[in-house]
Amino acid sequence: SQQGEEDPQALSIQEGENATMNCSYKTSINNLQWYRQNSGRGLVHLILIRSNEREKHSGRLRVTLDTSKKSSSLLITASRAADTASYFCATGKNSGGYQKVTFGIGTKLQVIP
Amino acid sequence: EAQVTQNPRYLITVTGKKLTVTCSQNMNHEYMSWYRQDPGLGLRQIYYSMNVEVTDKGDVPEGYKVSRKEKRNFPLILESPSPNQTSLYFCASSLLGGGNEKLFFGSGTQLSVL
Repeated sequence: SQQGEEDPQALSIQEGENATMNCSYKTSINNLQWYRQNSGRGLVHLILIRSNEREKHSGRLRVTLDTSKKSSSLLITASRAADTASYFCATGKNSGGYQKVTFGIGTKLQVIP
Repeated sequence: EAQVTQNPRYLITVTGKKLTVTCSQNMNHEYMSWYRQDPGLGLRQIYYSMNVEVTDKGDVPEGYKVSRKEKRNFPLILESPSPNQTSLYFCASSLLGGGNEKLFFGSGTQLSVL
């Protein structure tokens, strides 16, 4: 069952612009993670934000988490053509002694050179 | 290099012919998991394993089997594949499967069942 829903499902921007992707989820979580997937390849972990954190940065990535609204956003600043990929949010929730990670459907980002 | 290795990368088979997709990790991770990815549905967990000889069902386990005889290997078995199992499959691992851990993914296996 999907926990996170990304919005928009597809996004096309010019190189140099910022890209913002949103994720909403339904139940309480322990953390929220963002992953990137290049076409048909394995997912690569980008960033993890814990439920008691509000904002986190990593290079050109900025993630926010609003647990009251059950939503998160991923901002990629100064986008590059190489950022073209699908981006997935994944919620982590402790369940029976392990962390169940549930993925959303993803946002497909196209950065036009 | 730390990695999760899946084989094969592509597989075409026919209905009912048993197949195995292998997954191996070299990071000494306790936790391993299988996901399938379908358009419009995202990634859904099939099975997971917290340790050797410990496996449990995920969200979509029907039609699949797994085993965990060694820590590094976690094969996915389709005993009688059907066309609705045509999908992109990913193996993933993490250190303990506990809180606030990131997952490491294999490159994927594209399976077509005719």
